Amino acid sequence: DTAVSQTPKYLVTQMGNDKSIKCEQNLGHDTMYWYKQDSKKFLKIMFSYNNKELIINETVPNRFSPKSPDKAHLNLHINSLELGDSAVYFCASSQGRFYSYEQYFGPGTRLTVT
Amino acid sequence: AQSVAQPEDQVNVAEGNPLTVKCTYSVSGNPYLFWYVQYPNRGLQFLLKYITGDNLVKGSYGFEAEFNKSQTSFHLKKPSALVSDSALYFCAVRDREDGGATNKLIFGTGTLLAVQP
Repeated sequence: DTAVSQTPKYLVTQMGNDKSIKCEQNLGHDTMYWYKQDSKKFLKIMFSYNNKELIINETVPNRFSPKSPDKAHLNLHINSLELGDSAVYFCASSQGRFYSYEQYFGPGTRLTVT
Repeated sequence: AQSVAQPEDQVNVAEGNPLTVKCTYSVSGNPYLFWYVQYPNRGLQFLLKYITGDNLVKGSYGFEAEFNKSQTSFHLKKPSALVSDSALYFCAVRDREDGGATNKLIFGTGTLLAVQP
């Protein structure tokens, strides 16, 4: 069984469209994250939820909106897509929000905006 | 500002030789340090972490890392490299500027490890 899964794996869309990426974890974790990895492989946190509460909200365009319907799911909705949004988006989860829990990553969603 | 530096974009090593992937950090207070590995077209996988205690940390796949407080380093090592170790390696430190309220990680820029047969 996949621990952290994301759908879709690939997403190709045109500028101006709205799209969503879904993430699910079956590890029983209560904290989930969204990361963006750019073309140079630089990895940066975007958001984090703990028990459906937003706890990390980095400086990203407000076109990006996360939503966590329950502890096992975290979705990312992107409005009015731009060329610069092209990247690989990773979902991750951890056992808790504090201290030193390692994070478990999903396989990524490669978003290409044309 | 807190940061992590991986000074080498790429490390080349022959199979069977020891390998080292370097990482230095800058953080206020005691650091919580991590190594992750990313294989092509895959997500990151946790390798090991240093929280406290013994400066030599052992992790997955035969990797280990040595925490050196005086040099603010956390280098990843393996005694004998395998071709299958070829991947992108990330060092990360837990951000402490939020007062410990979250498990936010700051990642280095990554080091590509290439192991030649």
